[in-house]
Amino acid sequence: AQSVTQPDIHITVSEGASLELRCNYSYGATPYLFWYVQSPGQGLQLLLKYFSGDTLVQGIKGFEAEFKRSQSSFNLRKPSVHWSDAAEYFCAVATGYSSASKIIFGSGTRLSIRP
Amino acid sequence: DGGITQSPKYLFRKEGQNVTLSCEQNLNHDAMYWYRQDPGQGLRLIYYSQIVNDFQKGDIAEGYSVSREKKESFPLTVTSAQKNPTAFYLCASNKADGYYGYTFGSGTRLTVV
Repeated sequence: AQSVTQPDIHITVSEGASLELRCNYSYGATPYLFWYVQSPGQGLQLLLKYFSGDTLVQGIKGFEAEFKRSQSSFNLRKPSVHWSDAAEYFCAVATGYSSASKIIFGSGTRLSIRP
Repeated sequence: DGGITQSPKYLFRKEGQNVTLSCEQNLNHDAMYWYRQDPGQGLRLIYYSQIVNDFQKGDIAEGYSVSREKKESFPLTVTSAQKNPTAFYLCASNKADGYYGYTFGSGTRLTVV
């Protein structure tokens, strides 16, 4: 069965420092992968997605993610975080390329920013 | 601007009551979804619908019901059979012709009092 693991429940980084949020997935075929961000009390916003092609994908707000098939990973990175990046981040995998497929979400990583 | 509107933002339910959460989208999306979010558990799929008048159970459908009479609307009813309904509920939608990622509403927080 498909699954997504985000091993870090909570991460704190200093403003201006680099960030990497980990995501591992379990899926037999080519995965379709997403990162979403959620501010407190709000819905989720899509940061970036990977379907195929270049394994390094760029997203909004200066985020990027790299797909590594050999490690079943899709880690999210940002070179320099801002206080406004404090939020919860969800990695997700889709079971196919259509709305008939379902998206499975990880349990999330809460990011705090140290001034 | 197009988007998904969830209402109300906060909802309080007494024991034994049914309550209905509204979800409306003007994105012309075919598929709509309901998720439940609890702290530390991510998002769990309750129900989803790919076309009007059709819907499927997700992973945690017990105690919930839905309808899809219009393309724009996908209301969720939390029935008295749902033993632990206090949670944050998120509605999402998606196009049918390819993956652009879900568009989410801003959520409804349901509390049992």
